Amino acid sequence: GAGVSQSPRYKVAKRGQDVALRCDPISGHVSLFWYQQALGQGPEFLTYFQNEAQLDKSGLPSDRFFAERPEGSVSTLKIQRTQQEDSAVYLCASSLLDGPYEQYFGPGTRLTVT
Amino acid sequence: AQSVTQLDSHVSVSEGTPVLLRCNYSSSYSPSLFWYVQHPNKGLQLLLKYTSAATLVKGINGFEAEFKKSETSFHLTKPSAHMSDAAEYFCVVTLVDDYKLSFGAGTTVTVRA
Repeated sequence: GAGVSQSPRYKVAKRGQDVALRCDPISGHVSLFWYQQALGQGPEFLTYFQNEAQLDKSGLPSDRFFAERPEGSVSTLKIQRTQQEDSAVYLCASSLLDGPYEQYFGPGTRLTVT
Repeated sequence: AQSVTQLDSHVSVSEGTPVLLRCNYSSSYSPSLFWYVQHPNKGLQLLLKYTSAATLVKGINGFEAEFKKSETSFHLTKPSAHMSDAAEYFCVVTLVDDYKLSFGAGTTVTVRA
């Protein structure tokens, strides 16, 4: 079956541009997560959705970062006025239920801000 | 709060020899622990997980890990490395009833022919 997909796979943005990163979770998965993975580091939690509700956005690094999941399936992570420090791989994951259940990860979007 | 420390940033082994990836965790409460693998240009894949059942956990592709509470460790092992095991490995901790994963910095495994 289809796994988690993300698009685009690669994005180059000039400093100051806005970007939108898309995540298609596994069909029927209730929970959706965004992580940021800087070069040479492990992923770090950004935000969590249960269906369309954003229950935790404690990891978003600034108010330039915004995520939504309006219909409880596809999610978009938007970064406004990108900065060089935003360069990273952005990973999306979904899981069937809440709690410590297996999270299935997408391949990520590599964002490079020049 | 919980965290993990992966003690080796890079491990190099010969094909057919054992692999040991070391992970220590810190958690105020009962943790759930995971190992994920990341191959280039592919998503993270779950190798195995510990959630307070058996302390020796068997995963996919011949990997296993042992939860040792007294040592706060969750080391990953495989008896015989294959070329396809070359990848980045992450040790991950969360609370038993929590969703937020805390990743270690990762261990890069290279396998020599």
